[in-house]
Amino acid sequence: KAGVTQTPRYLIKTRGQQVTLSCSPISGHRSVSWYQQTPGQGLQFLFEYFSETQRNKGNFPGRFSGRQFSNSRSEMNVSTLELGDSALYLCASSDGQGKSSYNSPLHFGNGTRLTVT
Amino acid sequence: QKEVEQDPGPLSVPEGAIVSLNCTYSNSAFQYFMWYRQYSRKGPELLMYTYSSGNKEDGRFTAQVDKSSKYISLFIRDSQPSDSATYLCAINRNSGNTPLVFGKGTRLSVIA
Repeated sequence: KAGVTQTPRYLIKTRGQQVTLSCSPISGHRSVSWYQQTPGQGLQFLFEYFSETQRNKGNFPGRFSGRQFSNSRSEMNVSTLELGDSALYLCASSDGQGKSSYNSPLHFGNGTRLTVT
Repeated sequence: QKEVEQDPGPLSVPEGAIVSLNCTYSNSAFQYFMWYRQYSRKGPELLMYTYSSGNKEDGRFTAQVDKSSKYISLFIRDSQPSDSATYLCAINRNSGNTPLVFGKGTRLSVIA
């Protein structure tokens, strides 16, 4: 099976712009989670989608949004970019069908490295 | 108090050493404990997971959970240069769909 695919791998944007990141989960996985990883804060949960519905949301401002399509592919969007949004954005998929992450572990992509100048 | 605390290191050891990586957590409701390994420029990959207190072995790796002390450990025996990576502990509250809470990760270098 192909793993989780994230595109693009690298992005450079300017403050005030917006950006869209894409994630293709493992085939058959219906849950997609997004995380932000920075050296200072580590991995922080953004949101999770399951069957096109947002199931969980972390403590990020409304500038961060996401969606999931019927084929389970997901996008996240960040509007009005700030310097502090520079980070590695990781997508993870799981089958997530009512199981805990213990029984349904997360499989991560290699991330999109976003730099805001 | 942060939900999960992990010493960021870096930790540098000679090849063949036993490595001990640790996390503490604050909430006794946490039930599921995982260790992820992240190589440079890659996403985290699940290394081990456990539910109960005690030890779980997988090859050179042993995961240990002490729920009474809210303390989890990962031991790596006979460490190899290929073990050089960042190790993240991850904890989940219950059997529902709540998201994992990650430690910040400990960067490990194994020197040949």
